[in-house]
Amino acid sequence: DGGITQSPKYLFRKEGQNVTLSCEQNLNHDAMYWYRQDPGQGLRLIYYSQIVNDFQKGDIAEGYSVSREKKESFPLTVTSAQKNPTAFYLCASSVTSRETQYFGPGTRLLVL
Amino acid sequence: GQQLNQSPQSMFIQEGEDVSMNCTSSSIFNTWLWYKQDPGEGPVLLIALYKAGELTSNGRLTAQFGITRKDSFLNISASIPSDVGIYFCAGGITQGGSEKLVFGKGTKLTVNP
Repeated sequence: DGGITQSPKYLFRKEGQNVTLSCEQNLNHDAMYWYRQDPGQGLRLIYYSQIVNDFQKGDIAEGYSVSREKKESFPLTVTSAQKNPTAFYLCASSVTSRETQYFGPGTRLLVL
Repeated sequence: GQQLNQSPQSMFIQEGEDVSMNCTSSSIFNTWLWYKQDPGEGPVLLIALYKAGELTSNGRLTAQFGITRKDSFLNISASIPSDVGIYFCAGGITQGGSEKLVFGKGTKLTVNP
């Protein structure tokens, strides 16, 4: 099946710990995105990548880092510098950065 | 920055009723997208609109790209229980050679059987 997968579904982080969220797509899409969703809010863009080995900061990049070493993978690291990491994290991809975005199932991050 | 005002924030309707929700902005957008999100899941694309004035249907769903490019609406006809969820609008603008999406805060729809 073609699609976007995110793992894990739930992730727990201890104070001061870095955690990495996985996003994989087998749609052969060039562009990939990470969004954060808080209750009652719309999605806010963290980072995006138009093509492999390239990525750009979104609106709320502080405390996060990404890499794009492979076309199909765009992992997001939530660092200890992110003081309020509890949220629902959504990955998306599109054929190119000017095409419609499709979303993965999300990862819920909770801080212990 | 760009902001979208999505209304209503929530709706409680009876099965079989029609539903209407909309998004407005002071900014101009190139595209308008409507997504539906079930609890704990990612948003699923319902309708994409690419031209001002465009009216597009997808089954019981109809959406329009406002002629001013600053607004869009989504209508759902003859609602059914599985229509329950949160509906998001998103406006697309071109920044730095890529399409950036600005999201509304969502309309939570509850359908009573």
